Amino acid sequence: QVQLVQSGAEVKKPGASVKVSCKASGYTFTSYDINWVRQATGRGLEWMGWMNPNSGDTGYVQNFQGRVTMTRDTSIRTAYMELSSLTSEDTAVYYCARSGFGSGSSSDYWGQGTLVTVSS
Amino acid sequence: DIQMTQSPSSLSASVGDRVTITCRASQSIRNYLNWYQQKPGKAPKLLIYAASSLQSGVPSRFSGSGSGTDFTLTISSLQPEDFATYYCQQSYNARAFGQGTRVEIK
Repeated sequence: QVQLVQSGAEVKKPGASVKVSCKASGYTFTSYDINWVRQATGRGLEWMGWMNPNSGDTGYVQNFQGRVTMTRDTSIRTAYMELSSLTSEDTAVYYCARSGFGSGSSSDYWGQGTLVTVSS
Repeated sequence: DIQMTQSPSSLSASVGDRVTITCRASQSIRNYLNWYQQKPGKAPKLLIYAASSLQSGVPSRFSGSGSGTDFTLTISSLQPEDFATYYCQQSYNARAFGQGTRVEIK
């Protein structure tokens, strides 16, 4: 069965970086995009960007440009999202989700979420 | 950027009620509209894709309609397990979510 399993909770200090992993199983890793979505406590869903695991192509929301990097290691079917220059505003649960390539697709499988807490 | 606006932001309803949630896009997105359900502490779950297609395994009381800029999610007879927050998402240009609609027990 399709599964996306994310790395565990992180606590970071302001100004630091965090790298969250998302390990895929049960499907061909390079046949679907990986999206990253975050959710602050009590707030809505915020789409951060996408990565094509086959080509490595990425697209980021402007708000995160320059601070976010999405990468992958196809040999271990794992996607990564690294966010730098953290502030308290980045405290949130971060989700990975797969979707079909390109416009018109939807996210049918999601990781369990990774809580990132930014605190001094 | 395409903005998505849901209404209402919250609603109270009883088991058995018919519930309708609307989502409006700031420009035409054809039928590139998805609906998700999220329960507290859980990842979102895909309900409807391409505006009106029911995701496999989702009960038929859920339905979606619309195209262009205006879309609706309808729950024909609300069940206890349907109390949750619902999000629309456009997939026409990048992705963007609506702000969510919380469905609470009356």
